[in-house]
Amino acid sequence: QKEVEQNSGPLSVPEGAIASLNCTYSDRGSQSFFWYRQYSGKSPELIMFIYSNGDKEDGRFTAQLNKASQYVSLLIRDSQPSDSATYLCAVNTGGFKTIFGAGTRLFVKA
Amino acid sequence: DAGVIQSPRHEVTEMGQEVTLRCKPISGHNSLFWYRQTMMRGLELLIYFNNNVPIDDSGMPEDRFSAKMPNASFSTLKIQPSEPRDSAVYFCASRMEGGNYGYTFGSGTRLTVV
Repeated sequence: QKEVEQNSGPLSVPEGAIASLNCTYSDRGSQSFFWYRQYSGKSPELIMFIYSNGDKEDGRFTAQLNKASQYVSLLIRDSQPSDSATYLCAVNTGGFKTIFGAGTRLFVKA
Repeated sequence: DAGVIQSPRHEVTEMGQEVTLRCKPISGHNSLFWYRQTMMRGLELLIYFNNNVPIDDSGMPEDRFSAKMPNASFSTLKIQPSEPRDSAVYFCASRMEGGNYGYTFGSGTRLTVV
């Protein structure tokens, strides 16, 4: 079982819709959770982090964490074509070690 | 802040040659990470430095790989001898311990070994 799992996609949504990206993790002791966005040919860029159960909102982005279900998600409201990228879920299992998922490719159709 | 600076951006080399990748972390960040990204394996952590000291190199695939951090502003990843299966994008990332623990990645070095 992979430590951090994501659906590879592609996930295709129309412009203006809500994109929902999901991630599960295996280490129940994981403490902090991150979402990175990676455009094709570019480096990953941190867009959200969350530590506590519940929702965290930042502009059009909402991160959701459910530690009991070992599940973290990212919602993108009013999706724009510029949101088309690969979204990487990353989980810090304690100390320095952060494990990345394989990423979900998102396409936002204009 | 110029961010994490990596060089070169692209490297094409012949099998058997030595390759050296360079990284300058963000000033004040005391943790530095080398990652490798491929389509098949995604992002893999190779080595982690804290305060210039290698803490965990368990991700370094073989003895052909070595990394150094002689000071707080410079790190190298060396592959000697290089092989075609080393072809990947190599990212350096840094962060400040404490805070949100998120990384800032450099632009990466795309390595092609032919």
